[in-house]
Amino acid sequence: NAGVTQTPKFRVLKTGQSMTLLCAQDMNHEYMYWYRQDPGMGLRLIHYSVGEGTTAKGEVPDGYNVSRLKKQNFLLGLESAAPSQTSVYFCASSLGTVLRGTEAFFGQGTRLTVV
Amino acid sequence: DQQVKQNSPSLSVQEGRISILNCDYTNSMFDYFLWYKKYPAEGPTFLISISSIKDKNEDGRFTVFLNKSAKHLSLHIVPSQPGDSAVYFCAAADNNDMRFGAGTRLTVKP
Repeated sequence: NAGVTQTPKFRVLKTGQSMTLLCAQDMNHEYMYWYRQDPGMGLRLIHYSVGEGTTAKGEVPDGYNVSRLKKQNFLLGLESAAPSQTSVYFCASSLGTVLRGTEAFFGQGTRLTVV
Repeated sequence: DQQVKQNSPSLSVQEGRISILNCDYTNSMFDYFLWYKKYPAEGPTFLISISSIKDKNEDGRFTVFLNKSAKHLSLHIVPSQPGDSAVYFCAAADNNDMRFGAGTRLTVKP
């Protein structure tokens, strides 16, 4: 049982390059999330989705776009990478909304460095 | 602004003793609180949660206490084991938002 899988695990980008992070879950969860984790700060929500075909902005959405074309996949895109986007990115999914205490299942993370 | 604060970046305890991890929040609208544990090179995993209508929730060695008037919650681990060594994040949620603290690195020494 794979749970939540993120691809790739590591990536180095040059400023201005674009890339897409892929998140896949096999638990039939409705809710999916993208977070970033930076030193001295907690996980911050970038974008989330409450179901196939839907997306919404989180706490720090600027510079990112997302798509949820299939229920099991949630893609995070960086159109023009900046050094400030150097971070560890986590995808998560949940059966119900985490805002009502439902646990989220996290992927193993993607370490992105923008030089 | 950090609405959820974990003021202790690190904590070290002896195996078998109690670990107490603290978390403070500023938004009185938060009504669900969760703790996640994170090992290096892995994603966070859910540990325990509590609703604002309770002041205590227990699951095996883990107990979360909530003091709404003080806007404070704590996670107690008794007895602590070396395998509990990890970073612990608290999170607070309302209907529209969930915020995480910066985490506390717990080290349990054998």
